[in-house]
Amino acid sequence: GIQVEQSPPDLILQEGANSTLRCNFSDSVNNLQWFHQNPWGQLINLFYIPSGTKQNGRLSATTVATERYSLLYISSSQTTDSGVYFCAVGEPGNNRKLIWGLGTSLAVNP
Amino acid sequence: DAGVTQSPTHLIKTRGQQVTLRCSPKSGHDTVSWYQQALGQGPQFIFQYYEEEERQRGNFPDRFSGHQFPNYSSELNVNALLLGDSALYLCASSLEQGLTYNSPLHFGNGTRLTVT
Repeated sequence: GIQVEQSPPDLILQEGANSTLRCNFSDSVNNLQWFHQNPWGQLINLFYIPSGTKQNGRLSATTVATERYSLLYISSSQTTDSGVYFCAVGEPGNNRKLIWGLGTSLAVNP
Repeated sequence: DAGVTQSPTHLIKTRGQQVTLRCSPKSGHDTVSWYQQALGQGPQFIFQYYEEEERQRGNFPDRFSGHQFPNYSSELNVNALLLGDSALYLCASSLEQGLTYNSPLHFGNGTRLTVT
């Protein structure tokens, strides 16, 4: 089945710093989503981005489907950005099922 | 605009018991998916319901079953609980969009199940 790899696994930032999180996937997909899970376990959908670039405030994402990777950019990080960032892709031929990476755990220190 | 709501928030059960978790989808959504998330792991797909039918199932035993009601709400039932069933159970809703099934998922806050 499709493999989803995220890097780095862990990241520590000072407030105000920028960061880039990466998601590599092993097969063609037409469904890719980024999520943020806060320390209380709540999962928030950040982007639905099977291809192209999107921006939402300090966050932006780019997916290069032909090269099988996606990037999540966080600018001017804040302590509230702490948590785990997950990339999830639709299983090829079956977008009903999302396959998830192991996530990037981000800690933003004041 | 009501988001995805799940109940209960926490639950403690004993091995061998049965449990029912409930989910109401986001307003306007018609599809409900259930995920299991163990500590330190990404969510694992259990199954998805649309039009009151199970449309897709992940690698979970038959002890895990579900239901979707005409108002799109859903239940997850787990029978004969095992210690390994302890996890965060997440419900996600989306809007069916034809055969591509491409739709952003919106999650509830989850139910934390502990099996002792």
